Amino acid sequence: QLQLQESGPGLVKPSETLSLTCTVSGGSISSSGYYWGWIRQPPGKGLEWIGSIYYSGSTYYNPSLKSRVTISVDTSRNQFSLKLSSVTAADTALYFCARDTGGLGRGVDYWGQGTLVTVSS
Amino acid sequence: QSALTQPASVSGSPGQSITISCTGTSSDVGGYNYVSWYQQHPGKAPKLMIYDVSNRPSGVSNRFSGSKSGNTASLTISGLQAEDEADYYCRSYTSSSTPSCVFGTGTKVTVL
Repeated sequence: QLQLQESGPGLVKPSETLSLTCTVSGGSISSSGYYWGWIRQPPGKGLEWIGSIYYSGSTYYNPSLKSRVTISVDTSRNQFSLKLSSVTAADTALYFCARDTGGLGRGVDYWGQGTLVTVSS
Repeated sequence: QSALTQPASVSGSPGQSITISCTGTSSDVGGYNYVSWYQQHPGKAPKLMIYDVSNRPSGVSNRFSGSKSGNTASLTISGLQAEDEADYYCRSYTSSSTPSCVFGTGTKVTVL
């Protein structure tokens, strides 16, 4: 059974860079046809797609976040990572890592449990 | 990019059918058959209910069905049950600027 687990600091200071890693177990991140991505949910609000990466390194970002987001993949460790720069309180959210099956945008069939990141001094 | 538009809330009695709409543009919902629907219970990660507009993943009840007409996708829940009370989100592939995805605003389903 595929499992995704987010890890990283739960508290980030304003203007700094948020960094999270997602570790994939029970399957290979290099399997063809799957896109690995990040989705966030501010407390009490809706879901926002941040971006995705293919194991080859091709990346796709939310245009509204593109200037601050970097998603990378480490196939040797079966992990992918998120960096979000110049954070503000508006970036406080529950961050999920996830797998898109069959192609970008077709459907997220596996989710991590989510990790809460608070932006505060 | 703008979020897809969903009604804030929909309610129904047990056994009834309800439909949640998801309205976008020709650059997202109307342009591709890559619309998916998610159910989220409080404190839980979302669960995939429908992909590719109308396909159900293995294990999802056949009470859930999806469709699309023009720029609007829809999720129908038939035979409404208490356990269906949750938030529901649609998501679409979009190419309005670069290939990406966009979620709907979310709908709270209440079982009366």
